[in-house]
Amino acid sequence: DTEVTQTPKHLVMGMTNKKSLKCEQHMGHRAMYWYKQKAKKPPELMFVYSYEKLSINESVPSRFSPECPNSSLLNLHLHALQPEDSALYLCASSLEPGAYEQYFGPGTRLTVT
Amino acid sequence: AQKITQTQPGMFVQEKEAVTLDCTYDTSDQSYGLFWYKQPSSGEMIFLIYQGSYDEQNATEGRYSLNFQKARKSANLVISASQLGDSAMYFCAMREGIRTGANNLFFGTGTRLTVIP
Repeated sequence: DTEVTQTPKHLVMGMTNKKSLKCEQHMGHRAMYWYKQKAKKPPELMFVYSYEKLSINESVPSRFSPECPNSSLLNLHLHALQPEDSALYLCASSLEPGAYEQYFGPGTRLTVT
Repeated sequence: AQKITQTQPGMFVQEKEAVTLDCTYDTSDQSYGLFWYKQPSSGEMIFLIYQGSYDEQNATEGRYSLNFQKARKSANLVISASQLGDSAMYFCAMREGIRTGANNLFFGTGTRLTVIP
């Protein structure tokens, strides 16, 4: 199994809603990542989890709250988002925190209304 | 300063021809890695090829090869025998401090490749 899965594929939420994005991998990878990608822009790193511990938070606003319940699962909890938070949210994993390649999931297209 | 520069916003190539996508990078690290990813319209980022700064030979993976010129700080992607399925956005990326386990992956702005039948 060489796949990173993400659910939901699409999400539309209001500014007062609370929702969560889910990412899962069963490759035994010990590093997992959240990226945000605006239209026609490259992905930007948001968070890195190494061995289930948050190791990097790229100054992301607190309305985004990551969680790593176990080594296979990564969540991104969303609350009180703004329309400018609309983007493609990509999850990735790598074998080790410093490993060469990161394997990406298909992403969740988020629209905040 | 931009760490990764891709100067070609869009490229066209005839099916079965080869195409080169340009990438230059900026780093003062001695140990770094260069990556190319493909992003189809579906959104998934697909890893294509990796080149380490200490690798003496250019990386190759099937129809993909990386033309690594360290002195010029360039890492161009060459796709041979283009196929219609190669139409996608292509991102060049770099990770500095490879040997220290750093995690930041810096992406360029991408090149949209269109393969013409």
